[in-house]
Amino acid sequence: TQLLEQSPQFLSIQEGENLTVYCNSSSVFSSLQWYRQEPGEGPVLLVTVVTGGEVKKLKRLTFQFGDARKDSSLHITAAQPGDTGLYLCAGEYGNKLVFGAGTILRVKS
Amino acid sequence: DAGITQSPRYKITETGRQVTLMCHQTWSHSYMFWYRQDLGHGLRLIYYSAAADITDKGEVPDGYVVSRSKTENFPLTLESATRSQTSVYFCASSQGQGYGYTFGSGTRLTVV
Repeated sequence: TQLLEQSPQFLSIQEGENLTVYCNSSSVFSSLQWYRQEPGEGPVLLVTVVTGGEVKKLKRLTFQFGDARKDSSLHITAAQPGDTGLYLCAGEYGNKLVFGAGTILRVKS
Repeated sequence: DAGITQSPRYKITETGRQVTLMCHQTWSHSYMFWYRQDLGHGLRLIYYSAAADITDKGEVPDGYVVSRSKTENFPLTLESATRSQTSVYFCASSQGQGYGYTFGSGTRLTVV
């Protein structure tokens, strides 16, 4: 059974601070995906990383896939209140996704 | 409207009743999935489908039945609802490996 451990579970920071969310596993995945979920809605895809060592940037968000394709990180620079939400990492194997438990991010103004 | 639609958004049912959650997508994506989301467990895969008439079990399939007679529809049936099936259910679709999922807005199901 593939498992993804996501940390931290909860993060409360001030506007303008930087933060990093980690996603770790002992399994190798064909891709690692990051989603953001707001209350009452389904998760929305932010990015997919496929190649070991790959780095993708989405405005103030930087995503990295580990060299061995077992782990990933999400770094947010100068967090804004609009970044508040639940961030989920998901590892892909055989066209299915296994999800981490999520990180609840709260950015205070 | 294009997208993935789940219905109903909210449902309360009694223990032992059969209930069906609907999922409809307009992109003709091959893959469709059902997940449940619970505090402390995150999103767990119930069933998935690679194409019409092809379905397979996920991590937590017991007590659920799916069918996929048409590419665009993927209903999930709880044959005899139990309180442990109280959850938020999400349907998702995907073009395939590496493309990411598009999720519906979810159905909040309460079994009393």
